[in-house]
Amino acid sequence: DTGVSQDPRHKITKRGQNVTFRCDPISEHNRLYWYRQTLGQGPEFLTYFQNEAQLEKSRLLSDRFSAERPKGSFSTLEIQRTEQGDSAMYLCASSLDTGTYEQYFGPGTRLTVT
Amino acid sequence: AQKVTQAQTEISVVEKEDVTLDCVYETRDTTYYLFWYKQPPSGELVFLIRRNSFDEQNEISGRYSWNFQKSTSSFNFTITASQVVDSAVYFCALSEARTGANNLFFGTGTRLTVIP
Repeated sequence: DTGVSQDPRHKITKRGQNVTFRCDPISEHNRLYWYRQTLGQGPEFLTYFQNEAQLEKSRLLSDRFSAERPKGSFSTLEIQRTEQGDSAMYLCASSLDTGTYEQYFGPGTRLTVT
Repeated sequence: AQKVTQAQTEISVVEKEDVTLDCVYETRDTTYYLFWYKQPPSGELVFLIRRNSFDEQNEISGRYSWNFQKSTSSFNFTITASQVVDSAVYFCALSEARTGANNLFFGTGTRLTVIP
């Protein structure tokens, strides 16, 4: 049983460029979450999907951010016109939607905006 | 509003010492879930435990134990006979049933360093 995977693990981009990250959840998990973690802080919730439906978005998710999960399997997070403040670790997690709601996290994508 | 406070920013202990990591939470919900995650230097968050608000039994798993007290809104984590491999940042987190337990609110974490 493979865990949550994320690609790429590291991304360096120039301010103003667009970036896209991918997350592959644990195969039987129908919930998928995106979080952002900055240095010295705990992860902050961005958005979550139940299958292909995006059911909740944090106020942290500005208009420049968009997430999709087109077939209810993998998900992408796109950031348009990146800013230096977007530099962070972007974490993906998945869980079942019943029972214990334990979220299992991927290794993250570290974004550096120069 | 929900909030998780981990007042200890950093803790250092010598190997084999016991250490307790504190977590205090705030929520208006009567049904909620509390979690502990470990984030080793590799960066990947590792799930350790989940408790629901109706289960105040303390739990022990090997060298790890958790003390949940609703009266003080605390969910503390103790590592017995610490080892170097325990060095990591530990996060306490809360999710609320009224929001479908859809997202986790994390504390700021406690960095534990175990000195050999």
